[in-house]
Amino acid sequence: QKEVEQNSGPLSVPEGAIASLNCTYSDRGSQSFFWYRQYSGKSPELIMFIYSNGDKEDGRFTAQLNKASQYVSLLIRDSQPSDSATYLCAVGNFGNEKLTFGTGTRLTIIP
Amino acid sequence: GAGVSQTPSNKVTEKGKYVELRCDPISGHTALYWYRQSLGQGPEFLIYFQGTGAADDSGLPNDRFFAVRPEGSVSTLKIQRTERGDSAVYLCASSLTGAGQIETQYFGPGTRLLVL
Repeated sequence: QKEVEQNSGPLSVPEGAIASLNCTYSDRGSQSFFWYRQYSGKSPELIMFIYSNGDKEDGRFTAQLNKASQYVSLLIRDSQPSDSATYLCAVGNFGNEKLTFGTGTRLTIIP
Repeated sequence: GAGVSQTPSNKVTEKGKYVELRCDPISGHTALYWYRQSLGQGPEFLIYFQGTGAADDSGLPNDRFFAVRPEGSVSTLKIQRTERGDSAVYLCASSLTGAGQIETQYFGPGTRLLVL
């Protein structure tokens, strides 16, 4: 079982709709959760992070964390063609600074 | 200020050769990380520096891989006797302190290594 699992996609969403990206992790001790966006041929760019159970909103993006279910998600509202990219979920622990990444979900926003 | 920079952006080498990949972190960042990303995969952790010392090198795949950060700023990842399987994008990231807390890691553009 992989430590961080994501559906590789591709996930196709119409422009203006909500895109929902999901991630599960196996280490119950994980304490920090990051979503990175990666355009083709580019490096990962941080979208948002979340540490506490519940929702965290930043503009069109909402991260949701459920530690009991070991599940973290990213919602993108009012999806734009520029949101088309691969979204990487990464998990970390305090005192262990490395991040463990999933394989990423490729998202395509259809105009 | 400037972000994380990496050189070269692309490196083509032959099997068995030695390569060095350089990373220049964000100014003032004491923590530096190396990751490797193969096609269709997420970044895979290699090594983490806190200042000049390697605090965690558990991700280095074997003893052909070595990294240094002699002055606590620029880091060099060294790969000896390269193999075709070493072909990947090597990403460097830095964070402010990395000490006992989780911080945002900012990634550089990567070095795309191709071993023929």
